[in-house]
Amino acid sequence: GEDVEQSLFLSVREGDSSVINCTYTDSSSTYLYWYKQEPGAGLQLLTYIFSNMDMKQDQRLTVLLNKKDKHLSLRIADTQTGDSAIYFCAATGGSYIPTFGRGTSLIVHP
Amino acid sequence: DAMVIQNPRYQVTQFGKPVTLSCSQTLNHNVMYWYQQKSSQAPKLLFHYYDKDFNNEADTPDNFQSRRPNTSFCFLDIRSPGLGDTAMYLCATSGIGTDGNQPQHFGDGTRLSIL
Repeated sequence: GEDVEQSLFLSVREGDSSVINCTYTDSSSTYLYWYKQEPGAGLQLLTYIFSNMDMKQDQRLTVLLNKKDKHLSLRIADTQTGDSAIYFCAATGGSYIPTFGRGTSLIVHP
Repeated sequence: DAMVIQNPRYQVTQFGKPVTLSCSQTLNHNVMYWYQQKSSQAPKLLFHYYDKDFNNEADTPDNFQSRRPNTSFCFLDIRSPGLGDTAMYLCATSGIGTDGNQPQHFGDGTRLSIL
């Protein structure tokens, strides 16, 4: 089955860019997602990318997909304190059900 | 404009006392999922309904059951909760069809504490 790996922590200064990385194992993954989870809340879909795309930009968010290396990244430009949260990467593998990584805790300090 | 609504947000119950968590959706999605999430972990899929078809994950304890009486509602029943069932329970929905798959949409979760 699909396995999704993320680094557990990232600390950045307010105003800098954040880059959260993710790797997955199933090359047949069609959909790759980024979710944000704030304390005590559910998962909020931030953005997603189809496997036939290399890049997707949505305001401050940029997703890059390297299919050869099975590597996905999320870049947040001009990171704000409100961006502090846990970010989950998810990949569908050969199924419609996504497999989630363990989440990257983003800490933004002044 | 909440689209996936979970009730209650917080639930405290006694060891062994049955508890039911509810989820409703206004998206008319055909798939509904229940996840268990413990602190600092990824959500763990318990089961899901694809339309009326129930799909249980192999490692979901028998203690956990689900009902989906109609498209909009889905329930998670824990028959005899143990201390290890203390967790956040997340409901999600997605639309799966011949024209493609839609991302999952999550509710805000129910934080369940077993005492």
